[in-house]
Amino acid sequence: SQQGEEDPQALSIQEGENATMNCSYKTSINNLQWYRQNSGRGLVHLILIRSNEREKHSGRLRVTLDTSKKSSSLLITASRAADTASYFCAPGGFTDKLIFGTGTRLQVFP
Amino acid sequence: GAVVSQHPSRVICKSGTSVKIECRSLDFQATTMFWYRQFPKKSLMLMATSNEGSKATYEQGVEKDKFLINHASLTLSTLTVTSAHPEDSSFYICSARGGAGSFFGQGTRLTVV
Repeated sequence: SQQGEEDPQALSIQEGENATMNCSYKTSINNLQWYRQNSGRGLVHLILIRSNEREKHSGRLRVTLDTSKKSSSLLITASRAADTASYFCAPGGFTDKLIFGTGTRLQVFP
Repeated sequence: GAVVSQHPSRVICKSGTSVKIECRSLDFQATTMFWYRQFPKKSLMLMATSNEGSKATYEQGVEKDKFLINHASLTLSTLTVTSAHPEDSSFYICSARGGAGSFFGQGTRLTVV
């Protein structure tokens, strides 16, 4: 198991703008998952991208994976105030336990 | 997506008492569940891995006699905080692993007074 490192630690944008956050990891993976956590709540599963996939979309979310660079990015388009949350990545395999970093704290101002 | 239900969402207990937290996967079977603890403004700290029908595997530094984990079925794992003390006050979150990924409960805010 390994911990993903999210970057930046904090991000502030206006509603309607796009938000991009990145995740780096150290060793090869089978998949990578992105999660959102609103303050005082559990984690919401956003998307899982497999190691043989380069890009995946879900609504306003776009996730890319570059296994050669051991990095992933999460793009939220046309952000809304409700997107304000912390975002975490979790690189690993199907049998790995998930270890979390400090996440990216996204603040979207109305 | 897959649904994981955690109960209770909030509990207040007296020092010295025990508290049980339940984690259920509602629409999938989970042979493996995970328990995390989260301090304010911090990331999730993995406490233990719960495997159906076998003993839990605890992370280093986590007291297994204080945090009892039972995974009696493919859809239910429980965490019991025994002889709770104020320093056990925290946010506890469970996760269940399914074929489509790992999914989290809503969390339990434990306050020990």
